[in-house]
Amino acid sequence: AQSVTQLGSHVSVSEGALVLLRCNYSSSVPPYLFWYVQYPNQGLQLLLKYTTGATLVKGINGFEAEFKKSETSFHLTKPSAHMSDAAEYFCAVSVSGNQFYFGTGTSLTVIP
Amino acid sequence: DSGVTQTPKHLITATGQRVTLRCSPRSGDLSVYWYQQSLDQGLQFLIQYYNGEERAKGNILERFSAQQFPDLHSELNLSSLELGDSALYFCASSGTRGSYTGELFFGEGSRLTVL
Repeated sequence: AQSVTQLGSHVSVSEGALVLLRCNYSSSVPPYLFWYVQYPNQGLQLLLKYTTGATLVKGINGFEAEFKKSETSFHLTKPSAHMSDAAEYFCAVSVSGNQFYFGTGTSLTVIP
Repeated sequence: DSGVTQTPKHLITATGQRVTLRCSPRSGDLSVYWYQQSLDQGLQFLIQYYNGEERAKGNILERFSAQQFPDLHSELNLSSLELGDSALYFCASSGTRGSYTGELFFGEGSRLTVL
C-alpha cells in the first residue's frame, strides 16, 4: 500500500530564509511524486513533479525537490522564502498514474 | 486556470437536504476524482471515475454518490446532509487521450455549508 507522510503540519520561516518541507512516502513500486500548493480559498496547483529521469526537479516560483529512493523522500526546498509563499503545501504519490495519495499538508508561514 | 470547472462555488443548505455538485474536467481528460477537504480531516479521496466507469472508491459515505456522464462531466450527489458534511469539495481530472502527463488538475472547489 502507498502512503505519504509530511513531517510538520506547521512550518514558520523568516522572509529570505531557506524553506524545507519534508515528505516521505512508501510505495512498493516506483512512484510518481508531486508537490501541490494551495492558497487560501483556492484549489490545489501543481508546484512540481517527479516521474522518471533526473531526480532533482525544478518547479514554479523557485521551488525544487529531490527524489531520494534510498531515503524514500521527496523534500521540497526553496533557497529564499518570500511572503507570497505562505500557503498550504501537499505532497502526493501516484502509482501507475491511477490512484493518488496525499499527505496531510504543511502550512507554511513566512515571517517578515 | 487549470481547465477544471466546478459549480457552484458556494452552497449553503440545511441539514437533511440534498445537493448536487458539478464538475467539468479539462478538455479530453478521461478521469475525474472527487476529494473532500475539511479542517479536521485534511484532503480525503472520495471516488474516481474513468471514462464513465467507477474506477476507485475511497472514504465515500453511503449518503454520497457520484457519476460520470458520456460527455465526461461528473456530478457528486450528497444527501441527508449533516453538519459534519460542511467542507470544500474538489474535483480533479487527468488522463487526456494520447497525452498523459501524470498529474491531477484541480478545480477551485465547491464550498458546502450545512446549517
